[in-house]
Amino acid sequence: QKEVEQDPGPLSVPEGAIVSLNCTYSNSAFQYFMWYRQYSRKGPELLMYTYSSGNKEDGRFTAQVDKSSKYISLFIRDSQPSDSATYLCAMMTNQGGKLIFGQGTELSVKP
Amino acid sequence: NAGVTQTPKFQVLKTGQSMTLQCAQDMNHEYMSWYRQDPGMGLRLIHYSVGAGITDQGEVPNGYNVSRSTTEDFPLRLLSAAPSQTSVYFCASSYSLGENTEAFFGQGTRLTVV
Repeated sequence: QKEVEQDPGPLSVPEGAIVSLNCTYSNSAFQYFMWYRQYSRKGPELLMYTYSSGNKEDGRFTAQVDKSSKYISLFIRDSQPSDSATYLCAMMTNQGGKLIFGQGTELSVKP
Repeated sequence: NAGVTQTPKFQVLKTGQSMTLQCAQDMNHEYMSWYRQDPGMGLRLIHYSVGAGITDQGEVPNGYNVSRSTTEDFPLRLLSAAPSQTSVYFCASSYSLGENTEAFFGQGTRLTVV
């Protein structure tokens, strides 16, 4: 079993929909929980991260961490065609330097 | 400020050839790492470094070698290329300090082994 599991999708939604992306993990030592966005043929770019547990909001994006369930989520409100990309969750312990990724979810937002 | 620079962007190798993928960062980050990305597999960690002179294996280290002689550079060596190493390779540079962290990725190297 992989340390980080992510629903692979693909996911197709109409413009304006609320998108929910999720990951589960098994390593209780993870403290940094990140979401990356990757456009085709580009490197991943960090969308947002949460340290330890709780919620974090940035514009249309909200990240949630539930350490008791070992479950993290990314919500995208009012989704736009420009949000079409692959979304990857990644996690890291306090030791640093070693990001563990989920498989990625390919999202398509249709106009 | 260039961030993370990877070279080359594209490479075709014959089975058995060796090569080095270059990675350089100018942010003075202590951590650097190499990943490979295959369809449906996300990014898998090959090797990582927590500082100059210190490296360790990740999830898929076989067939790859690394060294970290300076803070800025972290080259990845393919010792004897195999078709199974056809992939997109990403280098990352990162830091973490308390609640703060950041990881920047290069634009990738697309490697084909024939």
